[in-house]
Amino acid sequence: AAGVIQSPRHLIKEKRETATLKCYPIPRHDTVYWYQQGPGQDPQFLISFYEKMQSDKGSIPDRFSAQQFSDYHSELNMSSLELGDSALYFCASSQTGTYGYTFGSGTRLTVV
Amino acid sequence: AQTVTQSQPEMSVQEAETVTLSCTYDTSESDYYLFWYKQPPSRQMILVIRQEAYKQQNATENRFSVNFQKAAKSFSLKISDSQLGDAAMYFCAYRSLHHNTDKLIFGTGTRLQVFP
Repeated sequence: AAGVIQSPRHLIKEKRETATLKCYPIPRHDTVYWYQQGPGQDPQFLISFYEKMQSDKGSIPDRFSAQQFSDYHSELNMSSLELGDSALYFCASSQTGTYGYTFGSGTRLTVV
Repeated sequence: AQTVTQSQPEMSVQEAETVTLSCTYDTSESDYYLFWYKQPPSRQMILVIRQEAYKQQNATENRFSVNFQKAAKSFSLKISDSQLGDAAMYFCAYRSLHHNTDKLIFGTGTRLQVFP
């Protein structure tokens, strides 16, 4: 079965640089979610998209932006990176009306 | 706003024994989903078990079962016949059924150690 694909798996950036994380949801899933998980912490919700429109927003810094494209893949853009942005970033997708909620393997971002 | 609380930062169990992880939550909604996720050292989020709030029957998946007490807002996970591969971080999570607010809200996690 197809899964949620995230790329890249690992990313190393310097402070003040920009990073772009990509997420390809399961086909026919209409909602995409982004989470940030710092070391030793629980995942924190950042933002979600339903049918390419932003549907919910969590604790996402103003330096971050995200969008969902016509092919349903989503990108999380992070600018002016700080050391504290080092974390595991998860993407998940779901189909409205179902309890299914599938996580990708995550992108590990290290800011040095 | 909904909250999820896991009061046990760490738990340990001997192989083949049974262990119970605790989770409480707070919500004003009457219908929702509850989940237990496992996160091994690889940090992949793996669904262990789910419970629909409208179902009174406790969910069971092989060695994993839950004790869902809706009135008490409690959702504990029981792992029977513990195996070394069960060692991981376990997160309890709440999900609203309302569209556009259906993000997962996680507890702070319980680290489970399994001893041979």
